[in-house]
Amino acid sequence: ILNVEQSPQSLHVQEGDSTNFTCSFPSSNFYALHWYRWETAKSPEALFVMTLNGDEKKKGRISATLNTKEGYSYLYIKGSQPEDSATYLCACDGSGNTGKLIFGQGTTLQVKP
Amino acid sequence: KAGVTQTPRYLIKTRGQQVTLSCSPISGHRSVSWYQQTPGQGLQFLFEYFSETQRNKGNFPGRFSGRQFSNSRSEMNVSTLELGDSALYLCASSLYGGRKETQYFGPGTRLLVL
Repeated sequence: ILNVEQSPQSLHVQEGDSTNFTCSFPSSNFYALHWYRWETAKSPEALFVMTLNGDEKKKGRISATLNTKEGYSYLYIKGSQPEDSATYLCACDGSGNTGKLIFGQGTTLQVKP
Repeated sequence: KAGVTQTPRYLIKTRGQQVTLSCSPISGHRSVSWYQQTPGQGLQFLFEYFSETQRNKGNFPGRFSGRQFSNSRSEMNVSTLELGDSALYLCASSLYGGRKETQYFGPGTRLLVL
């Protein structure tokens, strides 16, 4: 059974701080790792899809790295702003099947002004 | 392009009733996946439809069912509602539902079962 874990569960930082969190997944049968940002009362927003070992993706102040051999991905936010407050979800493609993402529990980030 | 839409946004039902939720995917997307989020749980996969066929199903009881229409719109039905079915139900669409494809999510339907 594919198990995706995220840490920490929650994080409180001050505006301007840089932060990072971790997504761990089984390294065998890996296909892709997805990151989403989910703000309260909104739809989850896709940030990145990462497939290759060593992949690095960047979107504004947010970046992510991927290590498929050891089964982890890091998400970094540089100079956090209050509007970055959200739950960040990672998900892996379910093995052998279509349309199925296996999600971690998420990391909830609160950025204080 | 318009995003994924879900109706209704909120719903209150009582135990034993049934409910139908609707999802309209992004234009051109043929795959629709459904997820459930309950307090303390991550998003749990329910099922996926492509070209009116269920291709994939999660570990949920048979009370949870769905269908997809020729225009790719999808409905999800829960019969004989239980208190534990209270949750946020999200649908997501993608072009083909393939691995490595981004799924685009709707805002969800929040179901409360009393």
